[in-house]
Amino acid sequence: DTAVSQTPKYLVTQMGNDKSIKCEQNLGHDTMYWYKQDSKKFLKIMFSYNNKELIINETVPNRFSPKSPDKAHLNLHINSLELGDSAVYFCASSQEKSFPPFSYNSPLHFGNGTRLTVT
Amino acid sequence: DQQVKQNSPSLSVQEGRISILNCDYTNSMFDYFLWYKKYPAEGPTFLISISSIKDKNEDGRFTVFLNKSAKHLSLHIVPSQPGDSAVYFCAASGVGTNFGNEKLTFGTGTRLTIIP
Repeated sequence: DTAVSQTPKYLVTQMGNDKSIKCEQNLGHDTMYWYKQDSKKFLKIMFSYNNKELIINETVPNRFSPKSPDKAHLNLHINSLELGDSAVYFCASSQEKSFPPFSYNSPLHFGNGTRLTVT
Repeated sequence: DQQVKQNSPSLSVQEGRISILNCDYTNSMFDYFLWYKKYPAEGPTFLISISSIKDKNEDGRFTVFLNKSAKHLSLHIVPSQPGDSAVYFCAASGVGTNFGNEKLTFGTGTRLTIIP
């Protein structure tokens, strides 16, 4: 009964390949996200998806594309993988995209991460 | 530009003692602060938060203190237990249109080890 599940857990692939990471949440949340944790341990948002509205972090290369077939799923497709794409990718969801001032009532629920290694 | 900094990558504390994890930020527009906890091979989970209208928020063994003038917050865990061993991430968000989960800025985390 995992709340936010992502697959695969580990992904090893060669440069230039195209790969996908899948994410599903059974919490009934309206918003889903992809985060990247790089080798320096920075946890940075890549995308958020809320009611068909996609918000993209402008620093993310267009080789990365999120695809949301429905509210419970947000998959991440990566084309032409590069060495620098090696990282841990976390999917997350929250009930709302925003929260009211002075009340954090919509915390993020993260999946367990996908460790991507590009060789 | 690292707007949220956790300068101690690791911390070891004896079981039963107080654990103090620190976080500094540089953006004066940040108005809401969070702590997330992460176990190995799992995703982060929300722990506690504090807004700028408060200087302290307590939840059981966990207390977060905010010093806005110093742009500093800290997480106190008393008493520390072995199950508290994890990586703790500090995060911050702004106000108005910047008040959203997609606007959270995370620190790099502090690995806390509780020694039995």
